[in-house]
Amino acid sequence: NAGVMQNPRHLVRRRGQEARLRCSPMKGHSHVYWYRQLPEEGLKFMVYLQKENIIDESGMPKERFSAEFPKEGPSILRIQQVVRGDSAAYFCASSPATVEEQFFGPGTRLTVL
Amino acid sequence: GESVGLHLPTLSVQEGDNSIINCAYSNSASDYFIWYKQESGKGPQFIIDIRSNMDKRQGQRVTVLLNKTVKHLSLQIAATQPGDSAVYFCADFPGSNYKLTFGKGTLLTVNP
Repeated sequence: NAGVMQNPRHLVRRRGQEARLRCSPMKGHSHVYWYRQLPEEGLKFMVYLQKENIIDESGMPKERFSAEFPKEGPSILRIQQVVRGDSAAYFCASSPATVEEQFFGPGTRLTVL
Repeated sequence: GESVGLHLPTLSVQEGDNSIINCAYSNSASDYFIWYKQESGKGPQFIIDIRSNMDKRQGQRVTVLLNKTVKHLSLQIAATQPGDSAVYFCADFPGSNYKLTFGKGTLLTVNP
């Protein structure tokens, strides 16, 4: 069984560009979560999605950040007009139903120059 | 503020020794806790969990202890191996059943 997949693994953007991060959940999982990790810190919740629905986006900045989980295809975390402070590791997790054990992907490391 | 936090940012042990990583949580309503291991460049990996109706849970070489009175939990790793070197996080679900809250993590270094 393939685990949670994320791509790209590393992404470099210049200030003002857009970043698109993709997450394919584990097979059979319909719940997706995005977390951000700054250097030497724990992961911070950003958003929780189910197919075609955003359930909770309370951890995501209201400007420049958006997330979707379409009926077909991966979940996308989109960051517009990136700034240096967006540099971080972004992790996606999935679960088969609500909660509890969330399986994490390898992360996308975003560097903003 | 964060629901969970760790006492020590780093822990260095000799191979074969036992390791103990501690964690404090603040939300007395939290009823489910998870320990994750994160190796360099990888995502968090589930190690062991415990519910608040338990004081202790054992896995393979790992034991989690929960003290609800002082809101403290610990992860014990027996016969620590070099492959155990990683950052260890405790996490819980304060206030929701899906929003994992992580502490900062403890870096465990195992010396051969």
